[in-house]
Amino acid sequence: NAGVTQTPKFRILKIGQSMTLQCTQDMNHNYMYWYRQDPGMGLKLIYYSVGAGITDKGEVPNGYNVSRSTTEDFPLRLELAAPSQTSVYFCASSPRTINTGELFFGEGSRLTVL
Amino acid sequence: LAKTTQPISMDSYEGQEVNITCSHNNIATNDYITWYQQFPSQGPRFIIQGYKTKVTNEVASLFIPADRKSSTLSLPRVSLSDTAVYYCLVSGDDYKLSFGAGTTVTVRA
Repeated sequence: NAGVTQTPKFRILKIGQSMTLQCTQDMNHNYMYWYRQDPGMGLKLIYYSVGAGITDKGEVPNGYNVSRSTTEDFPLRLELAAPSQTSVYFCASSPRTINTGELFFGEGSRLTVL
Repeated sequence: LAKTTQPISMDSYEGQEVNITCSHNNIATNDYITWYQQFPSQGPRFIIQGYKTKVTNEVASLFIPADRKSSTLSLPRVSLSDTAVYYCLVSGDDYKLSFGAGTTVTVRA
């Protein structure tokens, strides 16, 4: 059971480039989330999804896009990368009973924009 | 979405008990309280969850008073490996699970 898998683990982008951070979970969780964490700070919610075909914005969605075509996958797209997007990105999933709030996190993707 | 407030940092020594209190004055009836632990360069990890009174598992206890406006995570007999950031999360019907700044716990020998 792999849990939540994120790729790539590290990436360096130039300003204006685009890329997709991949996130896959094998726990059949309906709820999936993308967070970013800047150095020494807490986690900020970028986007979330409550099921295939349904996504919604979190606290800091500007500059990002997501899609949820399957239950397993929740990729995060960065368009026109900017230095302010330098951060560690975490994907997480949660079981159907959302009230419990138990999140399962991936290992993170560290992104640097130069 | 219930806002949470935690101390920014706490220091302790090996073998001591560490208690971290989280304030959540506008907690809703359907909200649960969950605590996570995060080590550097890793994603947060679930520690414990509760709704009211007291919950205990193999690593921690969670105390929630009757009014549920706060909660206290208790880590018994901490070791150096318990040095981490601890987050209090209040969640319910709102799917937007957002984290506060967390409490950095430093355990010294």
